[in-house]
Parts: sequence; C-alpha cells; structure tokens
Amino acid sequence: RKEVEQDPGPFNVPEGATVAFNCTYSNSASQSFFWYRQDCRKEPKLLMSVYSSGNEDGRFTAQLNRASQYISLLIRDSKLSDSATYLCVVNMRGGSQGNLIFGKGTKLSVKP
Amino acid sequence: SQTIHQWPATLVQPVGSPLSLECTVEGTSNPNLYWYRQAAGRGLQLLFYSVGIGQISSEVPQNLSASRPQDRQFILSSKKLLLSDSGFYLCAWTRLWGTAGANVLTFGAGSRLTVL
Repeated sequence: RKEVEQDPGPFNVPEGATVAFNCTYSNSASQSFFWYRQDCRKEPKLLMSVYSSGNEDGRFTAQLNRASQYISLLIRDSKLSDSATYLCVVNMRGGSQGNLIFGKGTKLSVKP
Repeated sequence: SQTIHQWPATLVQPVGSPLSLECTVEGTSNPNLYWYRQAAGRGLQLLFYSVGIGQISSEVPQNLSASRPQDRQFILSSKKLLLSDSGFYLCAWTRLWGTAGANVLTFGAGSRLTVL
C-alpha cells in the first residue's frame, strides 16, 4: 500500500457543482494532515490544514477519518478559478521533522 | 513577512554537466529547509531537509547533494547530471519544529530542469 494515495482524476465538473476528493494514508500514527493546491507549472500552496474535528474555510470543507485512515476535501459551488491539482499531505512519522509525504494529486477542471 | 527565493527558474543542461540550485529565505531565522523534486506524472519527492547550518538529511540516495552554508541558504548540487534528474525542483521552508505551524511548508517558485 502506498503511503499517501489519491484518485488522480481528472474531475471535470461544471461551475457551481460540488466535488469531493479523498486521500488515504498508510501510517496510523500520522498526526498532521493538509491540503495543498498546485496550479499548472507553479509551486504548491497551502489550502488548508485538516483538523480532527473537521474544518471549513468558505466553500472548502476538510474532514479526517482516523479509523479508516483517510482525509477528504469538499468544494461547494465550484468556480472556474478552482481548477488546479489538489495535493494531500500527511506527516508520516507521527510528528518527526522532515517526513511530510505528498500524494500525487487530484486534478480538478471546472468548466463554464 | 517571510519570503523564499529560488533560482534559476528554468535551466537546460546537458547530461554530465554540473548543477547548482540556490534557495534563500528572508524574514525568519532557524528555518527548516527542504528540497523536493516533482517529476512528470509523479508526486513530490523529498530529497533533502536541513534543521540547521551544515545539517543535511538525505531521504533518497541519488547523485544529488545539498548544503546549507548559512542559516537561510540551501543549495542543491550535482557533479554530473543524469537524464533522470529532469524535473521541477522546489525549495521549501517550515518553522522550527515544536513551534506553531511547524508542519506547514511554504515553497519557492521552483526551478524547472531539463537534462538533454
């Protein structure tokens, strides 16, 4: 089982749609979880951290399921500007430095 | 505020030539510094990280090396490039481990390397 796995997509959705991505991780000791956004040929940028109780930032909702070892990202009312690749990031050593593992990303394309 | 600079942005190098990519961070002290590589169709791969001057941890054996000659400077080097070294190289920093936000990576704009 790969350390961090994501559905590569692409997810092609119309404007205004709701879309959800999942990410599974292999290390049950993982403590920190994040979603990053990467535009084409650009660097990744932090979208949001994922907290145990789940958290929301505007149209974006992140959730953590420790029992099943996955995190999710829900985007409501999709905008054209949401088109990007979304990267799941997990700290795989339960707290040690230098072991933030990235998934390969899920590509989202929002169409007019 | 903190900023991270990385250069060069793009380079095309022949096989067997040397490589030097440089990264500097401003507006913070004692950052943890990282080099990642993103190859086509693959995820970000951690190459090196550093928690202080002269302290380098290598995550993947390869023909690359890293150095940290100053607190806020991180350099990625190779003596002889291979075709497989092509990719998008990203420098990143985080706060000192144990401080708030220590797991949050901030990336530089990246260096796109093509080895021919």
